[in-house]
Amino acid sequence: AQRVTQPEKLLSVFKGAPVELKCNYSYSGSPELFWYVQYSRQRLQLLLRHISRESIKGFTADLNKGETSFHLKKPFAQEEDSAMYYCALQGGSEKLVFGKGTKLTVNP
Amino acid sequence: DAGVIQSPRHEVTEMGQEVTLRCKPISGHNSLFWYRQTMMRGLELLIYFNNNVPIDDSGMPEDRFSAKMPNASFSTLKIQPSEPRDSAVYFCASRRTGGETQYFGPGTRLLVL
Repeated sequence: AQRVTQPEKLLSVFKGAPVELKCNYSYSGSPELFWYVQYSRQRLQLLLRHISRESIKGFTADLNKGETSFHLKKPFAQEEDSAMYYCALQGGSEKLVFGKGTKLTVNP
Repeated sequence: DAGVIQSPRHEVTEMGQEVTLRCKPISGHNSLFWYRQTMMRGLELLIYFNNNVPIDDSGMPEDRFSAKMPNASFSTLKIQPSEPRDSAVYFCASRRTGGETQYFGPGTRLLVL
């Protein structure tokens, strides 16, 4: 079975502080992993995917197959990063399985 | 391209009424997905189509829900009869076969009283 776990429903940090949003997954094969972001009342949009290994808006995520994790990190959080973040896994089909999301609040 | 288009953006209805949500995928995208988002359950995949054919409807909650894709540029999700527990935001997404990601519409916020 494919499963994505985001253990924190809410995460609050101060501007300029480092932030890490946790994501663990369960899948027997080689997954494709994604982070999606949803700003207040806007549509979901792709933030980054592990295959591209790029940094978007200062965020990075490394796939750790040993720990089955794909944590999202940013060294210095900004107020505009406040949003809902979803980790998602794509296994052998086109289906995306999403975690329940983490609401990040960056305080001034 | 305007992206994935959904209508209506907001829907308020009474229990027992039929609700129809509409989606227009991005032109050229072969796959279309319907999701439901609630506070309790997060984002759940309801059904997805590939080349207008339903591939996986295991997420459809019950027989009250049905989805169609009569052509490559239009899909509907129907709830009949609607119940208060159906209140949620319903997202449609599309993806080009072999493409890197799904593109989401703005969602339809449904409230069933």
